[in-house]
Amino acid sequence: NAGVTQTPKFRVLKTGQSMTLLCAQDMNHEYMYWYRQDPGMGLRLIHYSVGEGTTAKGEVPDGYNVSRLKKQNFLLGLESAAPSQTSVYFCASSYIRDRAGDQPQHFGDGTRLSIL
Amino acid sequence: RKEVEQDPGPFNVPEGATVAFNCTYSNSASQSFFWYRQDCRKEPKLLMSVYSSGNEDGRFTAQLNRASQYISLLIRDSKLSDSATYLCVVNDNYGQNFVFGPGTRLSVLP
Repeated sequence: NAGVTQTPKFRVLKTGQSMTLLCAQDMNHEYMYWYRQDPGMGLRLIHYSVGEGTTAKGEVPDGYNVSRLKKQNFLLGLESAAPSQTSVYFCASSYIRDRAGDQPQHFGDGTRLSIL
Repeated sequence: RKEVEQDPGPFNVPEGATVAFNCTYSNSASQSFFWYRQDCRKEPKLLMSVYSSGNEDGRFTAQLNRASQYISLLIRDSKLSDSATYLCVVNDNYGQNFVFGPGTRLSVLP
């Protein structure tokens, strides 16, 4: 059981290049999330998805796009990378919270992205 | 005011000490609460959920005070391996909105 898998783990881009980060989960979770974490700051939500085919903006969505064509995958795209997007990106997934209890998030091990 | 606030620390404590962290949240409609730990350059990992009646998991005790809108984490008999950043997380919309605090850094010293 792999849990949440992110690819790639490291990447260096030049300003203006594009790339896609892939997140895959095998826990049949409904919700998926993309965060970025910068030094001295907490995790900030970029986009999230509450189900296949649906996405929504988080706290810092500008410069990013996402897609969730399959329940198990959540893609984060940078169309034209900027140095301000240098960060560590974490994907997470969770069940819908229900009466059975609280449903925490499970995280992938991160993608370290540097934009030169 | 930030939605979730924590003392960033660092808290430097000797092995065997008891240490407590607090976290305050601003949204009174918040539904669920968690403590995560994050090791340097690693992903956050769930430490424990926080229940209204308080809960304990080994050396770790979590408390929730809805009236004052804070949660706490108590670590007894600190181990070197407890050194990490502890993140307070609040969820206010059935899974759609997890808000993370900036984290409290703990260093347990030999």
